[in-house]
Amino acid sequence: DTGVSQDPRHKITKRGQNVTFRCDPISEHNRLYWYRQTLGQGPEFLTYFQNEAQLEKSRLLSDRFSAERPKGSFSTLEIQRTEQGDSAMYLCASSLAPQPQHFGDGTRLSIL
Amino acid sequence: KQEVTQIPAALSVPEGENLVLNCSFTDSAIYNLQWFRQDPGKGLTSLLLIQSSQREQTSGRLNASLDKSSGRSTLYIAASQPGDSATYLCASDSWGKFQFGAGTQVVVTP
Repeated sequence: DTGVSQDPRHKITKRGQNVTFRCDPISEHNRLYWYRQTLGQGPEFLTYFQNEAQLEKSRLLSDRFSAERPKGSFSTLEIQRTEQGDSAMYLCASSLAPQPQHFGDGTRLSIL
Repeated sequence: KQEVTQIPAALSVPEGENLVLNCSFTDSAIYNLQWFRQDPGKGLTSLLLIQSSQREQTSGRLNASLDKSSGRSTLYIAASQPGDSATYLCASDSWGKFQFGAGTQVVVTP
């Protein structure tokens, strides 16, 4: 069990650029979740996958956001045309339902 | 829409005291409720998960209770230690819809 891995740990980009984050879940976990967290707040749910199927998607996930989990293993979260308000910590978690979620350390996104 | 509230937002106790952290939720139709710990700049560490059919879960010095009818969960930490200083968050799982509280920031002073 190597834990949930997220890459990169930090990303600084200019407004309007596209960014992509990667999450590698714990290998036997069938569920993968994406959250966004801003300072002083709890994580906000964005979306989750069961294997390769995207089962739930928050209204927070605008058209500029897309997530994939093509082979039911790693996942990517892409943000197009980034805006100042996208600055946050993006957290990934995985689980073997109905067991608890295990979180990665997140990708901190800063928009200049 | 589920709303999860944690009060107080911050708490400071001397070492050795018991901690009581509260979590309330508006929709009792939950699948489970989970408690997490978060250290600064880090992800979340799962502490306890209570299924909707359960009333409590225990792990070491930690005990979490769940009362769906009143929409409340409580996390008890016995004999607090400085290493327990962190932010504690609860989260409800309503069959694929996950909602976190804003957390309670705990400081345990030596």
